Amino acid sequence: DAGITQSPRYKITETGRQVTLMCHQTWSHSYMFWYRQDLGHGLRLIYYSAAADITDKGEVPDGYVVSRSKTENFPLTLESATRSQTSVYFCASSERGGGRPSYGYTFGSGTRLTVV
Amino acid sequence: QKEVEQNSGPLSVPEGAIASLNCTYSDRGSQSFFWYRQYSGKSPELIMFIYSNGDKEDGRFTAQLNKASQYVSLLIRDSQPSDSATYLCAVRRDSGGSNYKLTFGKGTLLTVNP
Repeated sequence: DAGITQSPRYKITETGRQVTLMCHQTWSHSYMFWYRQDLGHGLRLIYYSAAADITDKGEVPDGYVVSRSKTENFPLTLESATRSQTSVYFCASSERGGGRPSYGYTFGSGTRLTVV
Repeated sequence: QKEVEQNSGPLSVPEGAIASLNCTYSDRGSQSFFWYRQYSGKSPELIMFIYSNGDKEDGRFTAQLNKASQYVSLLIRDSQPSDSATYLCAVRRDSGGSNYKLTFGKGTLLTVNP
């Protein structure tokens, strides 16, 4: 199906384990983003990518790693999960126009991660 | 730290009334402004965007922007119970290496009572 998909939808992991959240988009959008959403904090940017092999840190990158070897995929890895990383994670993508883009982001359905 | 401020609510309005949602931002370089709707347990959904000062209307929704006051608002006319959701304001600086990053407010919870 066309669009942006995240997997898994729900994940429970133990403290200290490595976990990878997947994000796949079929639009060939240049930009992709990872946000986490927590009560009291709203949506906070973790990492973003302007194109394949180009990534940069957002507001809260500590403890996370990303890669983007292909335009359509942007996985987020928690190297050693901590309880503070319990959150809902959203992936998003955005097209890039010649000038100012006309649209905001399109979000995936989210992954609810619980670290116990 | 560039900030986007919203009243967390909840904002409660009767069905058929006008709901007014407000947002202020601190970065004067912000150029694009967005309103997202998020139902409980769902992902944010874009409903409006605005670039220029003034009003922009789309159906029952009107976005208003005042860059001098660093203020953006969303009006929902003839509010329906199905409009009950959290509304997220987001701003973007489209130059200076921003890479099209959106900065979000924490959202305003709107409840429309039948």
